Amino acid sequence: AQSVTQPDIHITVSEGASLELRCNYSYGATPYLFWYVQSPGQGLQLLLKYFSGDTLVQGIKGFEAEFKRSQSSFNLRKPSVHWSDAAEYFCAVGNTGNQFYFGTGTSLTVIP
Amino acid sequence: EAGVAQSPRYKIIEKRQSVAFWCNPISGHATLYWYQQILGQGPKLLIQFQNNGVVDDSQLPKDRFSAERLKGVDSTLKIQPAKLEDSAVYLCASSLVYGSAYNEQFFGPGTRLTVL
Repeated sequence: AQSVTQPDIHITVSEGASLELRCNYSYGATPYLFWYVQSPGQGLQLLLKYFSGDTLVQGIKGFEAEFKRSQSSFNLRKPSVHWSDAAEYFCAVGNTGNQFYFGTGTSLTVIP
Repeated sequence: EAGVAQSPRYKIIEKRQSVAFWCNPISGHATLYWYQQILGQGPKLLIQFQNNGVVDDSQLPKDRFSAERLKGVDSTLKIQPAKLEDSAVYLCASSLVYGSAYNEQFFGPGTRLTVL
């Protein structure tokens, strides 16, 4: 069965500092992996996705993620965080039926 | 391009009452999803439609929840009767076709339900 673990419930970083959000997945086949961001009162917005090919994926807003099959991980990174990045971040794994399984999310606080 | 529309945005009801949510997906999107997002958790898929047929409703509590997408476009999700544990944000999403995770799911703003 598919599942996603986001070990960090909450992370606080200073503006301008680098960021890494962890995601571990469980899936029997080649995974389809996604990162979404959710701002308060908003729906989910796709940051980036991985299906195959280059294991380093570039997304919107300066985010990137690296797929590591050996570690079953798909960690999200950003070299310099902006105050507007404060939000909830969700990692998800999708199957061939396009059903998504989300992690519990990581809440990001950015301090000036 | 208009996004996924949902209404109402907020709803407060008492337990044992009924409630309905409406979703209009992006034009041309064949697949529609309803998710339940309880506070502090990630979205959980309740039901997936392909056009007007149900693809997956394995996590839908069918004794109280129902959903339909009669004309293959907009959809309604109903809860009757509501319980306290149904308090959550109900998200609707749509994607272009079925059968490929290459298709991004686009999410609406959600309906926040509070059951008192």
